[in-house]
Amino acid sequence: DQQVKQNSPSLSVQEGRISILNCDYTNSMFDYFLWYKKYPAEGPTFLISISSIKDKNEDGRFTVFLNKSAKHLSLHIVPSQPGDSAVYFCAASGSSNTGKLIFGQGTTLQVKP
Amino acid sequence: DAGVIQSPRHEVTEMGQEVTLRCKPISGHNSLFWYRQTMMRGLELLIYFNNNVPIDDSGMPEDRFSAKMPNASFSTLKIQPSEPRDSAVYFCASMLWTGSYEQYFGPGTRLTVT
Repeated sequence: DQQVKQNSPSLSVQEGRISILNCDYTNSMFDYFLWYKKYPAEGPTFLISISSIKDKNEDGRFTVFLNKSAKHLSLHIVPSQPGDSAVYFCAASGSSNTGKLIFGQGTTLQVKP
Repeated sequence: DAGVIQSPRHEVTEMGQEVTLRCKPISGHNSLFWYRQTMMRGLELLIYFNNNVPIDDSGMPEDRFSAKMPNASFSTLKIQPSEPRDSAVYFCASMLWTGSYEQYFGPGTRLTVT
């Protein structure tokens, strides 16, 4: 039972264009969402997060949008750069106040020069 | 800070053997998480500890898996006996629980069971 789903295993975009990565969740009790980025042979690293009281959070080229009614969040990268090529994981907090996260399967982004 | 340290980075073993993965969290962090990454299921949480106490082990696949955290600076994940379907990358992550959910991951251990 996947509570956090990333339905696109991969995405390819041209350098300079926008990358949009999507994530859906099923548990309405989730109240905090994060995106992690992972390069080969490395552990995931934190990228950006958003609380359920907001619908948008921006950090430089990265923006996360949250649509609570649709139980959907997305990560926008503008402009995309070749160094952004990595696996991106969406994660959600189970609101158990323990720091536990539920991760999606990941989406592999390739940014072509 | 050296970050989260995991050893070994790669482990190849035969089915039926015992495997022990090790993790040293970031100093001062009070939560530690063990994950398994596979192509099919992505990143799965196996077990996590708060202040060295196991809080939730519902993700541990079966009794062949066990985890310990004898002190704040060390944790182990043991598989006994190992099976080919255990082949995956195992990550350890740590966090200072202050209401932030940002976890810091180690580089992972790639386990291959033949």
